[in-house]
Amino acid sequence: DAGITQSPRHKVTETGTPVTLRCHQTENHRYMYWYRQDPGHGLRLIHYSYGVKDTDKGEVSDGYSVSRSKTEDFLLTLESATSSQTSVYFCATRGQGLIYGYTFGSGTRLTVV
Amino acid sequence: AQTVTQSQPEMSVQEAETVTLSCTYDTSESDYYLFWYKQPPSRQMILVIRQEAYKQQNATENRFSVNFQKAAKSFSLKISDSQLGDAAMYFCAYRSYRDDKIIFGKGTRLHILP
Repeated sequence: DAGITQSPRHKVTETGTPVTLRCHQTENHRYMYWYRQDPGHGLRLIHYSYGVKDTDKGEVSDGYSVSRSKTEDFLLTLESATSSQTSVYFCATRGQGLIYGYTFGSGTRLTVV
Repeated sequence: AQTVTQSQPEMSVQEAETVTLSCTYDTSESDYYLFWYKQPPSRQMILVIRQEAYKQQNATENRFSVNFQKAAKSFSLKISDSQLGDAAMYFCAYRSYRDDKIIFGKGTRLHILP
């Protein structure tokens, strides 16, 4: 496995506050992804990165930004958290070969109150 | 745009029996990958099995096998000799050869009855 660490594992925050979730990987994978998981929706892509400083939007990117200044770290920021962003957030990475699926982190459960 | 549909939100199976989870997808492409992921109560996402579209032979991993019907755009997962540890949410997923992103279905929650 890729050795993916997400932090924090759980977080409760108030509406309107900024929140940053961190994903750290130790396998030097080029591709990294942020998904959110909600009941009845499965996993939906927020943002992804195909290299340092190279990022792109997914299907549910509104209200989120990302940064990748180092290969091993991919940060997801909620600029001003809203209750609709209460979710479980997963980071994933992929190796270079197309055959590979993702390797996932353990997820961060974020509650916005 | 590609879509992945899992029509069974929940299923139950008796321990030691066989169960099949359905998945259909929509794509105009001919080259792609399909995956099944398992998410137990621990929340960890685990890759169960994968299939390359150009391979006609169905993938198998121990008690897990798929029935890949390319023309019908169907990719079902069969679990044989179901065990209590198989209880989980199962996600079907698709990725085009030309795309870096994986698209997931909404999931099927599988219950194993002792």
